[in-house]
Amino acid sequence: DQQVKQNSPSLSVQEGRISILNCDYTNSMFDYFLWYKKYPAEGPTFLISISSIKDKNEDGRFTVFLNKSAKHLSLHIVPSQPGDSAVYFCAARGGSRLTFGEGTQLTVNP
Amino acid sequence: KAGVTQTPRYLIKTRGQQVTLSCSPISGHRSVSWYQQTPGQGLQFLFEYFSETQRNKGNFPGRFSGRQFSNSRSEMNVSTLELGDSALYLCASSLGQLLYEQYFGPGTRLTVT
Repeated sequence: DQQVKQNSPSLSVQEGRISILNCDYTNSMFDYFLWYKKYPAEGPTFLISISSIKDKNEDGRFTVFLNKSAKHLSLHIVPSQPGDSAVYFCAARGGSRLTFGEGTQLTVNP
Repeated sequence: KAGVTQTPRYLIKTRGQQVTLSCSPISGHRSVSWYQQTPGQGLQFLFEYFSETQRNKGNFPGRFSGRQFSNSRSEMNVSTLELGDSALYLCASSLGQLLYEQYFGPGTRLTVT
């Protein structure tokens, strides 16, 4: 079963606007959540993370929100830039493994 | 500090053959994980090694195996290749046991014909 799901395969936004990427999970034992960004022909790079004991973590233009009751997390990018165009994966940690979502292709249009 | 390196970057094999992929983690990292990425499937977890021991294994058939050496370098082997094994294979390393952040290599693109 897919324990981590990113229901939007793609998202297109205008430069300068907010990008919101969503992720849902089913396993309440996940204790740590991460977002990765992936460019073509490169491996994913770590972006930002959040512990399950928090509901928000901010790093520059990137903010991750966690709603444990809804088992939902989101990544906000403000303002969006063309260089942010990439595939974004959310991941959840349970034990000694990470479970990844399917990814969302973000396109930021100039 | 050098990043995670994977060799080879590209590989073409035929059905029935076997293949070995290599991963060198970031210096000092003791945990190495392997993932398979196919279109629309995200990253599927294969297995994770820590200090030469396999700690966790994903839902892949026994044709997929791996090992880790004392210097933390890791190899992944796939035997009796099938067309469906064509994918990007990613290796990731992390410092300790808790996998706070994993650092990925560029991947090996395997094509099975």
